Amino acid sequence: GENVEQHPSTLSVQEGDSAVIKCTYSDSASNYFPWYKQELGKGPQLIIDIRSNVGEKKDQRIAVTLNKTAKHFSLHITETQPEDSAVYFCAASTKYGNKLVFGAGTILRVKS
Amino acid sequence: GAVVSQHPSWVICKSGTSVKIECRSLDFQATTMFWYRQFPKQSLMLMATSNEGSKATYEQGVEKDKFLINHASLTLSTLTVTSAHPEDSSFYICSADSLVGDYEQYFGPGTRLTVT
Repeated sequence: GENVEQHPSTLSVQEGDSAVIKCTYSDSASNYFPWYKQELGKGPQLIIDIRSNVGEKKDQRIAVTLNKTAKHFSLHITETQPEDSAVYFCAASTKYGNKLVFGAGTILRVKS
Repeated sequence: GAVVSQHPSWVICKSGTSVKIECRSLDFQATTMFWYRQFPKQSLMLMATSNEGSKATYEQGVEKDKFLINHASLTLSTLTVTSAHPEDSSFYICSADSLVGDYEQYFGPGTRLTVT
């Protein structure tokens, strides 16, 4: 079945630096790739997503890039702030339409 | 927009009892609702997918008689953990995708279940 690998598992950056989290997926039928931010004890929050017909999408300090040939997609956070500290999950759609497969998650710590 | 609520936010129950968790889409109608389970420091594990008015589709390894799902309307789904045991203690999260949107899933805040 579909598999999504996410790296790194933990990431520590200094406030103001950039953070990059990478995911790879296995199912060539995947065409929707969301990123979620989860704070402790809360549900995941959709922060940005990208579809297979575009290579890059940006929303203020957050951007996502997609390389369909290589089956890679990445989350880029610029000018990180302490409130960006959380667990980030990538996900990919499956051939079963609206089901998503999630990566293992990345713990991002932004040090002030 | 796209707000999903869950009730209760946390619950403690005794072993052998049943617990019902509600998931509601507050400002949109959901084609499909999903139920996930999350263990500490782990990713989300899909338990089942439910569509309004039809039986839920359970993922492999998830006991459908233990985790009863009812999807009564386009805005409400319930998960009942029957005859709960301590190993059922977990964080249960629902999500819903919009009739208008395409694949976007919006998550509820989660329910922390502790079985003593």
